[in-house]
Amino acid sequence: GAVVSQHPSWVICKSGTSVKIECRSLDFQATTMFWYRQFPKQSLMLMATSNEGSKATYEQGVEKDKFLINHASLTLSTLTVTSAHPEDSSFYICSASQDTYGYTFGSGTRLTVV
Amino acid sequence: AQSVTQPDIHITVSEGASLELRCNYSYGATPYLFWYVQSPGQGLQLLLKYFSGDTLVQGIKGFEAEFKRSQSSFNLRKPSVHWSDAAEYFCAVGVDGGSNYKLTFGKGTLLTVNP
Repeated sequence: GAVVSQHPSWVICKSGTSVKIECRSLDFQATTMFWYRQFPKQSLMLMATSNEGSKATYEQGVEKDKFLINHASLTLSTLTVTSAHPEDSSFYICSASQDTYGYTFGSGTRLTVV
Repeated sequence: AQSVTQPDIHITVSEGASLELRCNYSYGATPYLFWYVQSPGQGLQLLLKYFSGDTLVQGIKGFEAEFKRSQSSFNLRKPSVHWSDAAEYFCAVGVDGGSNYKLTFGKGTLLTVNP
């Protein structure tokens, strides 16, 4: 079945630094990937849609300069949290679609900014 | 705008008992509907989905869900719960976004299974 790998699983960084999260589709090509943010005991909020070879589409209220998304190939999308602050601490999850009928999710990245 | 409501924040059942998790959606057209399960600190696993056709959908791990258009509902059921089913369950609606569709999630229902 379709597998999406997300790395790292958890990361701790200092306030003001940047962190990159990778999302890879291991056994299929994904022209579109999605990035979500999940607060503790909350639902998933869509942050942006990442399209291979073009700019990401951000949801309303998401700072595109803080959350940089790059989808350079059909199997890799990256989310970079720039100048991270404690309020950026969260669980970030990516998903990718092999076809029209379903999305596969990565295992998530726990980001803690200290 | 579309929305998903999961009325029950937390449900506790005994192992072997039946389970029903409620989901109501709001969307102007025929929706794509999904149920996902999330274990602590993990991503989401797809249990089942409805796109069209038979309104009773069978999924993995013995789960099923029934789409009821008149009630705008897509409730998840399992006849006999196992301890390993303890997790967070999310209902989602897929909305056409052009070349793909976007998922809107409910707030989730936490399932606790007592031995």
